[in-house]
Amino acid sequence: DTEVTQTPKHLVMGMTNKKSLKCEQHMGHRAMYWYKQKAKKPPELMFVYSYEKLSINESVPSRFSPECPNSSLLNLHLHALQPEDSALYLCASSRLLAGGENEQFFGPGTRLTVL
Amino acid sequence: AQKITQTQPGMFVQEKEAVTLDCTYDTSDPSYGLFWYKQPSSGEMIFLIYQGSYDQQNATEGRYSLNFQKARKSANLVISASQLGDSAMYFCALRDSGAGSYQLTFGKGTKLSVIP
Repeated sequence: DTEVTQTPKHLVMGMTNKKSLKCEQHMGHRAMYWYKQKAKKPPELMFVYSYEKLSINESVPSRFSPECPNSSLLNLHLHALQPEDSALYLCASSRLLAGGENEQFFGPGTRLTVL
Repeated sequence: AQKITQTQPGMFVQEKEAVTLDCTYDTSDPSYGLFWYKQPSSGEMIFLIYQGSYDQQNATEGRYSLNFQKARKSANLVISASQLGDSAMYFCALRDSGAGSYQLTFGKGTKLSVIP
């Protein structure tokens, strides 16, 4: 299984809602990532987990809360988002955090719209 | 200064012809890696090819090859025999130790359109 899956594919939420994005991989990868991508822009790194521990938080607002319950799952909890948070949210995983070829495999993304 | 520069916002290529997508990079780290990803309109980022800074030969993967010119700091992607399914956004990315070796720095991308 060489796939990263993400659910839901699309999400529309109001500014007062609480929702979660889910990411799953069964490749035995120990590093997982959340990216945010606005239209016609490259992905921007948000969070990095290594061995289920948060390694990097790229100054992301607290309305985004990541969680890594086990080595295969990564969640992104959303609360009190703003319309400017509307974007494609991509999850990725890699065998390890650093070094060598170690490419990141991406999921199909969740298209989020905040009303 | 930008770490990764893709100077072609958009490119057109005739089906079955070859196309080169440009990428230049800036790093002082002797150890780094360069990646190319394809992003169709569906959104998924698909890994295409990797070149390590110490690799002696240019990377190749099927119809994809990387024209790596270390002295010029360029890592251009060559797609041979273009197919309609190659129409997508293409991102070049650098991983060096400057930003933490976990992090990929992406270029702005090149939108490739394959014409039948």
